[in-house]
Amino acid sequence: GESVGLHLPTLSVQEGDNSIINCAYSNSASDYFIWYKQESGKGPQFIIDIRSNMDKRQGQRVTVLLNKTVKHLSLQIAATQPGDSAVYFCAENWEAGNNRKLIWGLGTSLAVNP
Amino acid sequence: DSGVTQTPKHLITATGQRVTLRCSPRSGDLSVYWYQQSLDQGLQFLIQYYNGEERAKGNILERFSAQQFPDLHSELNLSSLELGDSALYFCASSAPPDRSSPLHFGNGTRLTVT
Repeated sequence: GESVGLHLPTLSVQEGDNSIINCAYSNSASDYFIWYKQESGKGPQFIIDIRSNMDKRQGQRVTVLLNKTVKHLSLQIAATQPGDSAVYFCAENWEAGNNRKLIWGLGTSLAVNP
Repeated sequence: DSGVTQTPKHLITATGQRVTLRCSPRSGDLSVYWYQQSLDQGLQFLIQYYNGEERAKGNILERFSAQQFPDLHSELNLSSLELGDSALYFCASSAPPDRSSPLHFGNGTRLTVT
């Protein structure tokens, strides 16, 4: 039968290649951005974050780039492995009075081919 | 392991019933967030508590309620359940200062309403 659900953009890469996952955010006042990985049946897992006073931040095999001019965020994964297969999504954060406002992207599905 | 514990992992119940989902945040985290994730809507923010007090409300139905206790664990109560309430419910916690720290998610409670 037909399944109903979000039709996430899908990125398919070969094992060992680099992956780039993109995210467009909406609010120019956003000052903090977070990337998450979600594997099937699990909760979203924090990968890396970046504040708006930075353009680039590196972690282990991952790099986040922030382009505030065009409100664009990207996650680069080096030497992609089968274990990287998951849904990746970004979140943008800004302060709203005494509270934080978090807006979540719908995600990109990454498929790694062995 | 994120350090956030959610129970139960699975819950199957009938329409019209009431259930309680439980969350223990990471040690030292004061904020607890509840999210609903369904196939057709992605992550939907329900409610946030900070150190026992309600901090922000999202798309939470009147049939749903939550609280955070003095020991900082939280419970989400869902009543008069409908088929459309079937979803994954995630709890997340964050460290102070809350405004720009990442959320750490539990592995969720999968609720099935029949």
